[in-house]
Amino acid sequence: DQQVKQNSPSLSVQEGRISILNCDYTNSMFDYFLWYKKYPAEGPTFLISISSIKDKNEDGRFTVFLNKSAKHLSLHIVPSQPGDSAVYFCAASGDAGNMLTFGGGTRLMVKP
Amino acid sequence: DAGVIQSPRHEVTEMGQEVTLRCKPISGHNSLFWYRQTMMRGLELLIYFNNNVPIDDSGMPEDRFSAKMPNASFSTLKIQPSEPRDSAVYFCASSFTGLGQPQHFGDGTRLSIL
Repeated sequence: DQQVKQNSPSLSVQEGRISILNCDYTNSMFDYFLWYKKYPAEGPTFLISISSIKDKNEDGRFTVFLNKSAKHLSLHIVPSQPGDSAVYFCAASGDAGNMLTFGGGTRLMVKP
Repeated sequence: DAGVIQSPRHEVTEMGQEVTLRCKPISGHNSLFWYRQTMMRGLELLIYFNNNVPIDDSGMPEDRFSAKMPNASFSTLKIQPSEPRDSAVYFCASSFTGLGQPQHFGDGTRLSIL
């Protein structure tokens, strides 16, 4: 049973517009959430994270929002750039040893 | 600074052969993770080491899979004997221990078992 789900396998956005990637989780014990970006033939790269005690974390063009009651988080990219085209994974941790459970990923395509 | 280094980048071998994947974590990191990525199952954790000790190997699919971490700067994932269904991309990641510490991934080994 998937504990972290990314229901949209792909998303296409025009350059300059906002990209919104969504993630849902089922395990209420998760208390830290991370987003990773992955280019082809490379490993995932850490992008941004959020603790369950917060509902928003911002880093430049990237903002992560957390809605604990809905068990939902989202990643906003504004403005989107062609170089943002990649697969984005959300991940969750509820363990001090920082084991992560990953979602299935969303492929973002930013069109020039 | 060097990131996580995995070798080989690609491995093609015949069914039944032994396969050994190697990983050098980032210096100073004390947690190491092995993942497997497939189209069907996505990115799944195989095993997790902390301070060179295996903590959770519940993701290791079968006894054909084994992993070792003889010291803080080296880990191996071995498959013996290999089967076509083991074909996947295998990633190694390392991090500092602690809630929220991001894992840093290597570029993976693409394994094809014929």
